[in-house]
Amino acid sequence: GENVEQHPSTLSVQEGDSAVIKCTYSDSASNYFPWYKQELGKGPQLIIDIRSNVGEKKDQRIAVTLNKTAKHFSLHITETQPEDSAVYFCAAPQAGTALIFGKGTTLSVSS
Amino acid sequence: NAGVTQTPKFQVLKTGQSMTLQCAQDMNHEYMSWYRQDPGMGLRLIHYSVGAGITDQGEVPNGYNVSRSTTEDFPLRLLSAAPSQTSVYFCASSYPGDTQYFGPGTRLTVL
Repeated sequence: GENVEQHPSTLSVQEGDSAVIKCTYSDSASNYFPWYKQELGKGPQLIIDIRSNVGEKKDQRIAVTLNKTAKHFSLHITETQPEDSAVYFCAAPQAGTALIFGKGTTLSVSS
Repeated sequence: NAGVTQTPKFQVLKTGQSMTLQCAQDMNHEYMSWYRQDPGMGLRLIHYSVGAGITDQGEVPNGYNVSRSTTEDFPLRLLSAAPSQTSVYFCASSYPGDTQYFGPGTRLTVL
């Protein structure tokens, strides 16, 4: 089955800095890579996703890049703000169906 | 739309007791999944379903049963609760290969 590794497990940045979280996956057939943000006491919410036919996707301060050859994808957050503090998860589909998640990255943005 | 709903929000069980965690969605999604979330372990897939009458095991299925008699509902059953099943449980649903939506979670404690 699919295996997803996520790094780092914790990340602390100053407000205004950039943050980068990286994930690798094992199944070369995977073609959909979402990123979720989870705030305390809530369920995960999708913030951005990318499909295998593109190498990069941006949405305001958030971008995701995908390298299918190396089987890794990354989340980039620019101009970080305190409200970006949360746990972030990457994921990849198992056999095209349910998602397998990385272990998460706790991002802390200090002002 | 209510989205994905889960009941109860909190539950305390004694070892050996049984219970059912309820999950329902009103988006006519074919795919539904159950995850458990433990500190430092991320979200781990328990069971999933690609449509009514079809279920399959995820990463950590032992101790849990599921069924999918309707498109809307996907209950998770614990037949004999163990302390190792203390966790936060999330249900999710999606269209095939599309954004997965999560419920608010059920916090389960087994004494």
